[in-house]
Amino acid sequence: GENVEQHPSTLSVQEGDSAVIKCTYSDSASNYFPWYKQELGKGPQLIIDIRSNVGEKKDQRIAVTLNKTAKHFSLHITETQPEDSAVYFCAASSPRDSSYKLIFGSGTRLLVRP
Amino acid sequence: GAVVSQHPSWVICKSGTSVKIECRSLDFQATTMFWYRQFPKQSLMLMATSNEGSKATYEQGVEKDKFLINHASLTLSTLTVTSAHPEDSSFYICSAHSGRIMNTEAFFGQGTRLTVV
Repeated sequence: GENVEQHPSTLSVQEGDSAVIKCTYSDSASNYFPWYKQELGKGPQLIIDIRSNVGEKKDQRIAVTLNKTAKHFSLHITETQPEDSAVYFCAASSPRDSSYKLIFGSGTRLLVRP
Repeated sequence: GAVVSQHPSWVICKSGTSVKIECRSLDFQATTMFWYRQFPKQSLMLMATSNEGSKATYEQGVEKDKFLINHASLTLSTLTVTSAHPEDSSFYICSAHSGRIMNTEAFFGQGTRLTVV
């Protein structure tokens, strides 16, 4: 089955700097890659996603890139703000599984220092 | 985006008792819902896939007789932790897909923190 690896596990940046989180996946058939932000004691919130027919997607300060050949995708946050501090999870799903279940990475704890 | 409501947000129960957690899709019909468990500082681990009108599909290592899942309608799935023990204490989260073709977006509930004493 699918396996998703995520790094780094923790990331500390100065406010205003950029943050990059990387994930790799194992199933070449996977075609959907969402990123979630989880704040303490809350459920994950979708912040951006990308499908396999697109190489890059951007939404204001957040962007995601996908390299299908290398089977990796990355989250880029520019001009970071203290409220960006949270745990971020990448995930992947494959059409091999008709239920579209998501396989999650291990998470990255992002700390934005004021 | 779509709204998924989970209830209760937290619960404390005595060891040996059962606890039911509800997951509702408020503004869409969910043919498929998922239940996850998350231990502190860890990732979300899929427990089971809940399909409306049929039996749930459990992931390897998850006891189906201990974690009862019912998905009786297109807007409600329930997870019952039976004979709870302290090691069942965790953060339980549900998610739902709208079921539209080619739509793989998942919307998550706010989670339920279960503490078994």
